Amino acid sequence: EPEVTQTPSHQVTQMGQEVILRCVPISNHLYFYWYRQILGQKVEFLVSFYNNEISEKSEIFDDQFSVERPDGSNFTLKIRSTKLEDSAMYFCASRLQGHGYTFGSGTRLTVV
Amino acid sequence: DQQVKQNSPSLSVQEGRISILNCDYTNSMFDYFLWYKKYPAEGPTFLISISSIKDKNEDGRFTVFLNKSAKHLSLHIVPSQPGDSAVYFCAASVGTGGFKTIFGAGTRLFVKA
Repeated sequence: EPEVTQTPSHQVTQMGQEVILRCVPISNHLYFYWYRQILGQKVEFLVSFYNNEISEKSEIFDDQFSVERPDGSNFTLKIRSTKLEDSAMYFCASRLQGHGYTFGSGTRLTVV
Repeated sequence: DQQVKQNSPSLSVQEGRISILNCDYTNSMFDYFLWYKKYPAEGPTFLISISSIKDKNEDGRFTVFLNKSAKHLSLHIVPSQPGDSAVYFCAASVGTGGFKTIFGAGTRLFVKA
């Protein structure tokens, strides 16, 4: 069964450093997303991406965040200057229109 | 953002019995609803969905009921199995296209053998 692949599974970074979280969505999917889940809290929408541009973003997705689909297979989330409160599980997801999301296993980001 | 609410943080059910997970929403624009299951250290897994033109959708042991007037949906699992023990997220969106989906806080289901 096709999978969404995320790397790394765990990333530890110092506050103020830049991190890039990587995702390989399912190849024939058209919509791509990043969600995050802070420990013990709900899954929160960050951003959706379609046709090589951001289609929607939440208030969490401020200027410190950016997404890219550099080569037609990878979908990355960059956090320019990490803060302690960015520590969370970050989930990438992709979908076809009219279907549910397929999520990756997540990247646990720990900012110290 | 409390547009999708799952008021029960946990639910415990005996194996073989029915599990009923509830979800309420406040945004009347939502017209597509989904349930996801999540195991520890894994991403959410899509279970079942329903659009607002229906009031019931069934897939094997899983049935989702939608009551639009009450802005309420529920997921029924029957019979419940120990492997169903997980966190279940209700989610809602406007349309089935690429727009954001809002998740509830989740309900942790324990199915006892």
